[in-house]
Amino acid sequence: QVQLVESGGGVVQPGRSLRLSCAASGFIFSNAPMNWVRQAPGKGLEWVAVISFDGSHQYYADSVKGRFIISRDNSKSTVHLHLNSLRAEDTAVYYCARKHFDDYFDLWGQGTLVTVSS
Amino acid sequence: DIQMTQSPSTLSASVGDTVTITCRASQSINIWLAWYQQKPGKSPKLLIYKASVLENGVPSRFSGSGSGTEFTLTISSLQPDDFATYYCQQYTRYWTFGQGTKVEMK
Repeated sequence: QVQLVESGGGVVQPGRSLRLSCAASGFIFSNAPMNWVRQAPGKGLEWVAVISFDGSHQYYADSVKGRFIISRDNSKSTVHLHLNSLRAEDTAVYYCARKHFDDYFDLWGQGTLVTVSS
Repeated sequence: DIQMTQSPSTLSASVGDTVTITCRASQSINIWLAWYQQKPGKSPKLLIYKASVLENGVPSRFSGSGSGTEFTLTISSLQPDDFATYYCQQYTRYWTFGQGTKVEMK
């Protein structure tokens, strides 16, 4: 079954760190650039980060640049998002999404909720 | 950055209606636009890419058009399953989403 399954969300204090994971199955993960997209409660979608198929390139939204790090382990078909120096405004559901060759997102996970609160 | 603006923010409609959602880009994005449907508590689902190409399995009552800076998503003969929030997304330079259009029952 072609799917993405996120994990690692939870409640974390401001300034602390968290690592999210996204496990892929049903497709050749090592061929697929992967993204993280987030959605604050009651708000719209915001692209966060992308990593190339081989992990050699990463790009970030300005809102997270210097604080978040995207990485992948193709041997485990997993992509991670390391969230550092967390702020209240990082509270959101975080989705991983597969980038199609033509650059749109054709597969999404179910999301994992990150709540930043003291 | 390329900004995407959708209108309206909310749309009230009845089953059987034809509804149209507009998405405008702050600069030309050619045809590099996708539409997604999202239901409460669920992840977004790809409906249309390249402005007008229907994703496999998406009902033909959904259609997209436009190029450059102005795009539309049309749902013909609205079905109960179509009440949801719809997002446009540009993918010409990184990725930006519109703020969403909620299609609600009148």
